[in-house]
Amino acid sequence: NAGVTQTPKFRILKIGQSMTLQCTQDMNHNYMYWYRQDPGMGLKLIYYSVGAGITDKGEVPNGYNVSRSTTEDFPLRLELAAPSQTSVYFCASRRQGAQFKEKLFFGSGTQLSVL
Amino acid sequence: QQQVKQSPQSLIVQKGGISIINCAYENTAFDYFPWYQQFPGKGPALLIAIRPDVSEKKEGRFTISFNKSAKQFSLHIMDSQPGDSATYFCAAEGARGALYNDKVIFGPGTSLSVIP
Repeated sequence: NAGVTQTPKFRILKIGQSMTLQCTQDMNHNYMYWYRQDPGMGLKLIYYSVGAGITDKGEVPNGYNVSRSTTEDFPLRLELAAPSQTSVYFCASRRQGAQFKEKLFFGSGTQLSVL
Repeated sequence: QQQVKQSPQSLIVQKGGISIINCAYENTAFDYFPWYQQFPGKGPALLIAIRPDVSEKKEGRFTISFNKSAKQFSLHIMDSQPGDSATYFCAAEGARGALYNDKVIFGPGTSLSVIP
């Protein structure tokens, strides 16, 4: 099993450019998450999804968009890149039901620099 | 506003010593408290977790202590080893049907270095 796969691993953007960070999981997890990690700030939740077609905002959603058309994929879109979006982005997934929730599985991250 | 507070920001411990990381939360909607460990260049991975109906949970050298009335919990690493050098995050999740049920809120992290 590949687990949670993120692409690309590294990317440099110019201010105002747009890009999509890809995330796919092969564990049939219903819940998926996007976090950003900044030094001394920990992991901040950007968006999450509880299933295909359902997404919701996290703690820091401004400047980002998501979609969830399939169970496997949860791409994160940056429309107008700004220096404040320079960060390491992590995608995570897990199974969760009415009576249980499992641990988060994380991808290996995408390091994004906006210059 | 930091929903989950964590201290210290960094910690240096001698091999064989005890590492202690503290966390605190305000919102009583949280009812599950995991700790994640992250090595450089990797995503975080679950280390140990606790529910507030117990005051302590131990797994090998790792122990979580929980004080529900103070809304505080801590991670103790006994006999710390150089291989434990990593960033540690406490986190909080909500009860089923409650606010934060679907979210995992992380603290700012503690960078632990265990020196020989």
